Amino acid sequence: QSVLTQPPSVSGAPGQRVTISCTGSSSNIGADFHVHWYQQLPGTAPKLLTYANSNRPSGVPDRFSASKSGSSASLAITGLQAEDEADYYCQSYDSSLNTWVFGGGTKLTVL
Amino acid sequence: EVRLVESGGGLVKPGGSLRLSCGASGFTFSDHGMVWVRQTPGKGLEWVSSITSRSNSKYYADSVKGRFTISRDNAKNSLSLQMNSLRAEDTAVYFCARAAGSDGFYYIYMDVWGKGTTVTVSS
Repeated sequence: QSVLTQPPSVSGAPGQRVTISCTGSSSNIGADFHVHWYQQLPGTAPKLLTYANSNRPSGVPDRFSASKSGSSASLAITGLQAEDEADYYCQSYDSSLNTWVFGGGTKLTVL
Repeated sequence: EVRLVESGGGLVKPGGSLRLSCGASGFTFSDHGMVWVRQTPGKGLEWVSSITSRSNSKYYADSVKGRFTISRDNAKNSLSLQMNSLRAEDTAVYFCARAAGSDGFYYIYMDVWGKGTTVTVSS
């Protein structure tokens, strides 16, 4: 059971918009710790997708956007493409556990 | 090119030890904290350990505290993870990652990842 809760799977057709939620609590996201998102393509290492709640590293398409509100965060992907099919993880810090924490991951399927 | 390369994984018996290494290149290693993250086969990511840029502070997940030791050699651009008293549940792919973020160490994210090294603990 992950401290940060993500849906196990989401899906969408090419060109559509999907969102992935990441629900935390008052000791992590709600405590104003930043939320970061990673994309893991099959068989590869995770890749940083967004950082500090809503920032994109250079090279990440603007089809990927992230936001945070209260104790939750979300990742939105617009204009879905086949190559977006991957696992997505949120990450933050938890002050009760004194550890960095990941969500359980969400598998995105492009139909 | 910024690069992290892990090594040292392998098959080890329960109770045994293993030392993972991570070689860094393409950036000023001593400017960055570093992190170990592991991934159990078919499962999600788990933070294992972190170390600040000058080794002033080291952090461990409860699941490995007292058994694993993180260290670094800034002169050699190298990060290590000494793993003792290994258990079956330590079986995973271990990733080395660079910590980034300017708002304090608790706000870090991992902006560069290695490809990982596989550790299998089995009799």
